This record gives sequence, structure tokens and C-alpha cells, in this order.
Amino acid sequence: NAGVMQNPRHLVRRRGQEARLRCSPMKGHSHVYWYRQLPEEGLKFMVYLQKENIIDESGMPKERFSAEFPKEGPSILRIQQVVRGDSAAYFCASSTDSGYGYTFGSGTRLTVV
Amino acid sequence: GDSVTQMEGPVTLSEEAFLTINCTYTATGYPSLFWYVQYPGEGLQLLLKATKADDKGSNKGFEATYRKETTSFHLEKGSVQVSDSAVYFCALSGGTDKLIFGTGTRLQVFP
Repeated sequence: NAGVMQNPRHLVRRRGQEARLRCSPMKGHSHVYWYRQLPEEGLKFMVYLQKENIIDESGMPKERFSAEFPKEGPSILRIQQVVRGDSAAYFCASSTDSGYGYTFGSGTRLTVV
Repeated sequence: GDSVTQMEGPVTLSEEAFLTINCTYTATGYPSLFWYVQYPGEGLQLLLKATKADDKGSNKGFEATYRKETTSFHLEKGSVQVSDSAVYFCALSGGTDKLIFGTGTRLQVFP
């Protein structure tokens, strides 16, 4: 039973490019959460999604960031026109309907050069 | 809003020493409390949790007690090993499914 799968593990983008981060939840999990970890800091909540719905995006920056969790396929966190300050580790977690089994992926480490 | 405060690191110990990492929280209502561990280059793993006052979570020799009167959830281990070297995060969930994390405490254990 595979865990939460994130890819790529490492992503390098030049300033101004787009970054797409993917997260496949655990089998049977229908809730996905994205967190960002800046260097030497804790994780900060970004967005909570269910299939085809954004439930809570209170932690998402207002511009350049978007997230989706389509009916088929992985959840995508998209960052447009990346800047150096976007360099961070982005973690995805998933859970069942009841919030049980909250499990984190290994993260995508984004470096903007 | 809800928040978590952890003692700053790094915490440096010799093998077999006693470990305490302090964690206090601010929350409305009755949150669930968690400790997560992050090994270098990896994601977070749930170490233990407690869902109501006076509950004690325990796992792999680590334990923490949910203290409502002091709003604390301190992590302890009686005898640390080199393999326990990692970053430890205290977190709470206020019933909205999202987790609120402390800034993390790096533990370094030397032989």
C-alpha cells in the first residue's frame, strides 16, 4: 500500500518560470492538504482540497499560487512566475473522510535560481 | 488564532541522556495535539498524539502528556539514541483538519 507520493522530489526553476508539484494521495484517501516549509521554519498550511473542490485556501498566497485536485489524477500545486522567495519544501498530506490516517509525503524541494 | 510554541534548538545530548522538548499551545476549544519527527531529506512522520486532556501519547520510547491546565505537550524520552537525531515538530489540530505547527526543534545525539 503505497504512501503519499509526491513528485518531483527536487525541482529547480529559474525566476519567472512555472513550477508544478504533484501529489498522489494514499489509496482510499479523498482529502489532500498542502504545506510549505521555509528553511529553518515549521510547516505552514496552504490549502485543503477534496476531489474537485477547494475547501480551505486561507494559507495560499493571493497571487501566483493555485491548487487543484481533479476527479482523476493527482493534486497539483502550481506556482506561476516563481521568485527566489518561493524556494522551500512543499509537503502534501492526505487523509480519509474523517481525517483519519493523516499521512505526509516526502515533499518536493523547490529551488528558484 | 491558534498557535504552537516550541523550545528553540538545537538540543545536543549524549547517547542515553534524558530528553525533554517543551511545547506549549494556544487554542480555542479542545485541540488534538501531535508530535511529528522529520529525518534529514524526508517528510514528516507522526510520532505520537493525544486527543484529550490528560491523555498520554507514546511511541518508540517517546511520550507526551496533554496538560490542559498548563496548555503544554512536552516530549520526553528516557534514553536517547544517535538514531533519534532529527527535527521534532509539535502540532495541534483544532478540528478543522489542518495542522498548526511549531517551528521545530533539532535534536543532535552524539555517541
